[in-house]
Amino acid sequence: GAVVSQHPSWVICKSGTSVKIECRSLDFQATTMFWYRQFPKQSLMLMATSNEGSKATYEQGVEKDKFLINHASLTLSTLTVTSAHPEDSSFYICSARARVTGELFFGEGSRLTVL
Amino acid sequence: SQKIEQNSEALNIQEGKTATLTCNYTNYSPAYLQWYRQDPGRGPVFLLLIRENEKEKRKERLKVTFDTTLKQSLFHITASQPADSATYLCALSNFGNEKLTFGTGTRLTIIP
Repeated sequence: GAVVSQHPSWVICKSGTSVKIECRSLDFQATTMFWYRQFPKQSLMLMATSNEGSKATYEQGVEKDKFLINHASLTLSTLTVTSAHPEDSSFYICSARARVTGELFFGEGSRLTVL
Repeated sequence: SQKIEQNSEALNIQEGKTATLTCNYTNYSPAYLQWYRQDPGRGPVFLLLIRENEKEKRKERLKVTFDTTLKQSLFHITASQPADSATYLCALSNFGNEKLTFGTGTRLTIIP
C-alpha cells in the first residue's frame, strides 16, 4: 500500500533551537497534507492543513510563526518547530491525501523531545 | 463545541470474545466516520470508513455501525486475538478525506 514516511522518527533538541520534520509520500502524489500533534494518552489534534504550492491553513490556537509549514512539492511537506520549548515536546504525525484516489495515509510519526 | 467521546479509556477482553468499542459525538453532523488503529509510538492505521447514510459496514472480523440519531458508532472485533491489542480511534469528517476530528481513543487489551 501507499507509504508516508516521516523523518526523523525521533529527535532530541535543546530549548531555543529549531527542528524540521519531513513528511514524504513515497509512491503517490499528495495534494494535501495534514499535520497533527499528539500528547501522551491524548488524541491527535490537527495543527494545520498544507496544500502544495500555497500557504498552510492553521487551526485555531496554533501559532503559524512557531510552526512553519512548507509544502514545496506534491510529495513533500515540512514542519519546522522554531525556538522549541519543553512544552513543544510531543508526537507529531502527518497524513497525506493521494491526488488520484483521494485516499488518506498517515505517517509513522516523529517524537520530539525538547530539553 | 464539537466533542467526540470514546466509551472508556481502557478495555480488557478475553481472547475469543467480541470486543465492542463506542464512539459518541455531540455538536457535529459528520458525513463520514472512520476507525483507526494506533500502536504505541506509531501513526494511526486506517481500518474502516462508514458514511452517514450507511447503517453498518463489515471487513473480515471487524464491524462498524453508525447511528446518526443517537450520534453514536459501535466498533466490534469478533473472535478477538491478542494481536488486536492496540488503541482504537474514531474520527469524524464532513467530507471523505477532509479534516479529521479524532476521538480520545480506547486502549484495548485482549487477554490470552
